[in-house]
Amino acid sequence: ILNVEQSPQSLHVQEGDSTNFTCSFPSSNFYALHWYRWETAKSPEALFVMTLNGDEKKKGRISATLNTKEGYSYLYIKGSQPEDSATYLCASSHLNAGGTSYGKLTFGQGTILTVHP
Amino acid sequence: KAGVTQTPRYLIKTRGQQVTLSCSPISGHRSVSWYQQTPGQGLQFLFEYFSETQRNKGNFPGRFSGRQFSNSRSEMNVSTLELGDSALYLCASNSGTENTEAFFGQGTRLTVV
Repeated sequence: ILNVEQSPQSLHVQEGDSTNFTCSFPSSNFYALHWYRWETAKSPEALFVMTLNGDEKKKGRISATLNTKEGYSYLYIKGSQPEDSATYLCASSHLNAGGTSYGKLTFGQGTILTVHP
Repeated sequence: KAGVTQTPRYLIKTRGQQVTLSCSPISGHRSVSWYQQTPGQGLQFLFEYFSETQRNKGNFPGRFSGRQFSNSRSEMNVSTLELGDSALYLCASNSGTENTEAFFGQGTRLTVV
């Protein structure tokens, strides 16, 4: 059974603060790590997909890093804004016995971020 | 371009009934995956379809089934509903190439009473 763990479960920050979250995933048969942002009453929206150890990706004020050998990823938000308030989900995919992972993402329970004006 | 469309958005059913949920993927996407979210649980993978074939399956009982049509639209069926099936059901589409991002619909909220 694959377990993806995210911490913290929730976070309250002030506008302008920088923050980061952690995602831990099994390193065995690892294939890819996904980050999603899920705002209330909307669909989860993809932020990053990372595959290689040492990968770093950036989109505006949000960036992510990946360590596949130790099985963790960090998501950073610089200068948080109220519109960043959302649940941030990470999900990993792993190769099955047939060498594929088709569509199967194993999600963590998410980190709920609230940014106060 | 149009996003992933799930219908209906909300549904109330009685224990023992069956239900069918629909998902229309983004145009050109051939892969559709289904996920269940229950209170306190992360998104749990149900199954994935590509070109009308189930390629991957999660650990759910046989009461949960799905299919995909030639236009890539997918349906998920749950038979003999139980109270514990009350959940948000999300579908996601992508091109079918591994390691690409998934595009999610807004989900169907199923309540079993």
